[in-house]
Amino acid sequence: KNQVEQSPQSLIILEGKNCTLQCNYTVSPFSNLRWYKQDTGRGPVSLTIMTFSENTKSNGRYTATLDADTKQSSLHITASQLSDSASYICVVSRRSGYALNFGKGTSLLVTP
Amino acid sequence: DVKVTQSSRYLVKRTGEKVFLECVQDMDHENMFWYRQDPGLGLRLIYFSYDVKMKEKGDIPEGYSVSREKKERFSLILESASTNQTSMYLCASSFFGPAEKLFFGSGTQLSVL
Repeated sequence: KNQVEQSPQSLIILEGKNCTLQCNYTVSPFSNLRWYKQDTGRGPVSLTIMTFSENTKSNGRYTATLDADTKQSSLHITASQLSDSASYICVVSRRSGYALNFGKGTSLLVTP
Repeated sequence: DVKVTQSSRYLVKRTGEKVFLECVQDMDHENMFWYRQDPGLGLRLIYFSYDVKMKEKGDIPEGYSVSREKKERFSLILESASTNQTSMYLCASSFFGPAEKLFFGSGTQLSVL
């Protein structure tokens, strides 16, 4: 079964600290993996995409990694800001069809 | 930037009412999607459309129908609203398919009483 598991479910960190969110998947055949950020009351917005051949990709203070062998991805947030408080959703697509596999998200709260 | 606009941010309806949720995108995207998002369950696909007048069922189509008469507009219809359809509804669009980046609307929080 194609599944996407995210951990932790929720996380509270102090402003300025770093954190890492995890995404494990069993989706096959793999096409790509995206991380989305969803602010409260808004729709998700794509942060980054990881394809099979990519190990690391940065988008400002966000760095995503992908280990296609172990089927794991992480999203590392550096020097967190209050505006990073959001839900982060991992989405994995298969090489065929229209199906997307969504994780349930990690809810991040950055406190002053 | 792509803009996906959902007609209502909040809706309150009565059980048995017919409900229309409207979504419009301004970037000539071929594909449009309707998801519902519930706490602890994540996003689940209701229906999608890859062309005008074309539609495909997603994972949870029961109790819903859709309409795509024009490329930019994708409507979700609850034929007879029930309390278990209380949820956040998100519309999204993409150019080539869902493996491409999805652009989401801000969502409609529907409450069925």
